[in-house]
Amino acid sequence: DVVMTQTPLSLSVTPGQPASISCKSTQSLLHTDGKTYLYWYVQKTGQSPQLLIYEGFSRFSGVPERFSGSGSGTDFTLKISRVEAEDVGYYYCLQGINLYTFGQGTKLEIK
Amino acid sequence: QVQLVESGGGLVKPGGSLRLSCVASGFTFSDYYMSWIRLAPGKGLEWLSYITHGDSVPYYADSVNGRFTISRDNARRSTYLQMNSLTVDDTAIYYCARGVNLAYWGQGTRVTVSS
Repeated sequence: DVVMTQTPLSLSVTPGQPASISCKSTQSLLHTDGKTYLYWYVQKTGQSPQLLIYEGFSRFSGVPERFSGSGSGTDFTLKISRVEAEDVGYYYCLQGINLYTFGQGTKLEIK
Repeated sequence: QVQLVESGGGLVKPGGSLRLSCVASGFTFSDYYMSWIRLAPGKGLEWLSYITHGDSVPYYADSVNGRFTISRDNARRSTYLQMNSLTVDDTAIYYCARGVNLAYWGQGTRVTVSS
């Protein structure tokens, strides 16, 4: 089984400041087809999860440019260049190379 | 636009069964894998199952394998999750989601397992 480990589990950020969440997997998420099966989601209070980043670094339709994904192999990062109040929520990474496994989630709060 | 609507949740006693449904609109349903994911109180998202689009092959997380069964009916643009031998730990909001990317999610249906 692929285990996904997110750090930190909580984050308190001043608006306008950057934020970064790390996600590490126990096996490489690079498939032989050349794609990296790593995704990032956010779930805001009272809402369904929303896809932010797919295949490691591709921003999903409508996602603000302040969100970016990077990394390769087993180590990945979600960065928010300038946090806004609307970014509050739980952020999850997800691997899709061997069934699916979510990370534990990271709670983002505003200072 | 893409829309997914879950239904079938409710209150059930431990050991009981429930069948969840997810009806899709706004896209060619038969072209996409469909997944079920849940969010239990105080816990994170947990992927449960997906079903392929062409040959309807199911896959399950270990936590539900043997108790839950996923299916789909392309003519009805629907996917289902049959849940048997429910325990209190199955209490959660259950979501369906579209595709390999889980790009679109429904609003969820709440399942409560309690005596």
